Amino acid sequence: ILNVEQSPQSLHVQEGDSTNFTCSFPSSNFYALHWYRWETAKSPEALFVMTLNGDEKKKGRISATLNTKEGYSYLYIKGSQPEDSATYLCAFLGGNEKLTFGTGTRLTIIP
Amino acid sequence: GAVVSQHPSRVICKSGTSVKIECRSLDFQATTMFWYRQFPKQSLMLMATSNEGSKATYEQGVEKDKFLINHASLTLSTLTVTSAHPEDSSFYICSATPGLAGGPNNEQFFGPGTRLTVL
Repeated sequence: ILNVEQSPQSLHVQEGDSTNFTCSFPSSNFYALHWYRWETAKSPEALFVMTLNGDEKKKGRISATLNTKEGYSYLYIKGSQPEDSATYLCAFLGGNEKLTFGTGTRLTIIP
Repeated sequence: GAVVSQHPSRVICKSGTSVKIECRSLDFQATTMFWYRQFPKQSLMLMATSNEGSKATYEQGVEKDKFLINHASLTLSTLTVTSAHPEDSSFYICSATPGLAGGPNNEQFFGPGTRLTVL
């Protein structure tokens, strides 16, 4: 069983503050690391697909880094806004060609 | 683009009945579709992978005779929970990808999920 862990489980952040959270995954048999944003009652939305060690990707105020050697990825949100409130999922794609998901970090932005 | 719909969004049924859940890719052809299940406070767990026109591949511990998957066209996959029991109550969510399963840049496009409650 592959272990994909996300921390923290939940997070409350004041509007305007920046924040980050972690996804840890197996460091062997790595193909890709996916990040999704999942708002309540909506479909999970793909944010990033990261494949290379040292990769850094950015979409607006959200960015992510990847360290495949030590098995972790960070997701950063700069200047949090209420619309950033969601659950952020990471998923590890390994040699079995299947996504293994973490349990998510539930982010709440306080206006 | 890349929208996946899922129907119904919520279903309540009596024990012993069968429930069909539909997953449609609305604006692309989905070579591969995936079915996941999520129990409270747990992660999305892959149940099965289906490729259009062929039999689904089920994950270990998932009964293929109980969870029937049909991927008859490039835009539609269905999951039928046969003879549902209370322990089948869960959140079921599908995803689709236009490319071959497992490509590292193949993000999956998800439906909004179906909440199944079996009384």
